[in-house]
Amino acid sequence: AQTVTQSQPEMSVQEAETVTLSCTYDTSESNYYLFWYKQPPSRQMILVIRQEAYKQQNATENRFSVNFQKAAKSFSLKISDSQLGDTAMYFCASLHGSGNTGKLIFGQGTTLQVKP
Amino acid sequence: EPEVTQTPSHQVTQMGQEVILRCVPISNHLYFYWYRQILGQKVEFLVSFYNNEISEKSEIFDDQFSVERPDGSNFTLKIRSTKLEDSAMYFCASNLPGMNIQYFGAGTRLSVL
Repeated sequence: AQTVTQSQPEMSVQEAETVTLSCTYDTSESNYYLFWYKQPPSRQMILVIRQEAYKQQNATENRFSVNFQKAAKSFSLKISDSQLGDTAMYFCASLHGSGNTGKLIFGQGTTLQVKP
Repeated sequence: EPEVTQTPSHQVTQMGQEVILRCVPISNHLYFYWYRQILGQKVEFLVSFYNNEISEKSEIFDDQFSVERPDGSNFTLKIRSTKLEDSAMYFCASNLPGMNIQYFGAGTRLSVL
């Protein structure tokens, strides 16, 4: 069974600093996709970044980047120059099955507090 | 920018009552999903839907649950006889053919009393 684990329930960072959120996953499939979603207090789920497992290059999206270690089944999110608006719950998720209809499997989430 | 719309934002119901949660996916999306998040817990997959039929469902999605796309734009989740443990945030999501990014609505908070 596919699983996603986030071992940090809560983290905090000072504004403008860098923070890394950890995620590990387990799968027997050779191709899959990994995502980080952000859930601010409004509860909306917002896609932050996506990584395709067959790509070795780590995905980046402005201040957000990932460290994808396929052999270790690790997928951490780095947020650079943290901003107050980054305060949210962050979920790591994996997508299995066909690319169109696969279900997302989520980790438990990490609550990130950015302090002024 | 197109978005997934869910109504109502908050639904309060009595135990045993039927509820229908509504979603309008992004207009050219063809794959639809419902997820559930019990307060303080992880987001869980309920069901996926394509071409007017269920593609996959989880063990949570028992006979009390059903989904429908009644008119080509709405996508609904019906809970036939609600239980206290159905209280949760319900998220609808959709994606384009050939694209695996699922776009989420803002959710419906269901409170079963």
